[in-house]
Amino acid sequence: SQTIHQWPATLVQPVGSPLSLECTVEGTSNPNLYWYRQAAGRGLQLLFYSVGIGQISSEVPQNLSASRPQDRQFILSSKKLLLSDSGFYLCAWSLPGGGRETQYFGPGTRLLVL
Amino acid sequence: AQSVSQHNHHVILSEAASLELGCNYSYGGTVNLFWYVQYPGQHLQLLLKYFSGDPLVKGIKGFEAEFIKSKFSFNLRKPSVQWSDTAEYFCAVNPLLGGKLIFGQGTELSVKP
Repeated sequence: SQTIHQWPATLVQPVGSPLSLECTVEGTSNPNLYWYRQAAGRGLQLLFYSVGIGQISSEVPQNLSASRPQDRQFILSSKKLLLSDSGFYLCAWSLPGGGRETQYFGPGTRLLVL
Repeated sequence: AQSVSQHNHHVILSEAASLELGCNYSYGGTVNLFWYVQYPGQHLQLLLKYFSGDPLVKGIKGFEAEFIKSKFSFNLRKPSVQWSDTAEYFCAVNPLLGGKLIFGQGTELSVKP
């Protein structure tokens, strides 16, 4: 069966420091991968998605970037964190399904920027 | 722009009460519809989904949802809630033709024993 991992689970970083959050999927190949940010009372906002290695689409202009160096690895990064980057970051995967895809979510990383 | 609206931000029920959480979306074309649940301290899990066919969809843990195309709605129901149903519930819509998964703002359900 497929599993999705995210780490770290919790992270406290000072403003201006770099960021690297990692997401890996096991038990499947060629998944679509997604990064979301979840804000209280505002649902989930899609940040990035990827349909293959090196292919990244950005949904919202911001201080973050994403990379997919391997088929089942998705990384969320920042060169200099802002206070507004604090939040709960979720990674998700789906299998390409011609419009009938279901996304499955990881456990998330809670980021606090001080 | 496409959007998903969940009418209730916080619902408080007693055990055995019936539940209905509203979800409406704004998109005129064919859509896929989902309900996800996030239990305290756990990750987001799929509760049920609708792609096509019978508009009444059964999910896990006794939940069901009904797709009413004319009302652009996909309400979640459960005849008798339990304390363990305390969680946050998210409705999500995926327009069939190249759209992304769009989430509602979530409804927090508190069930009192």
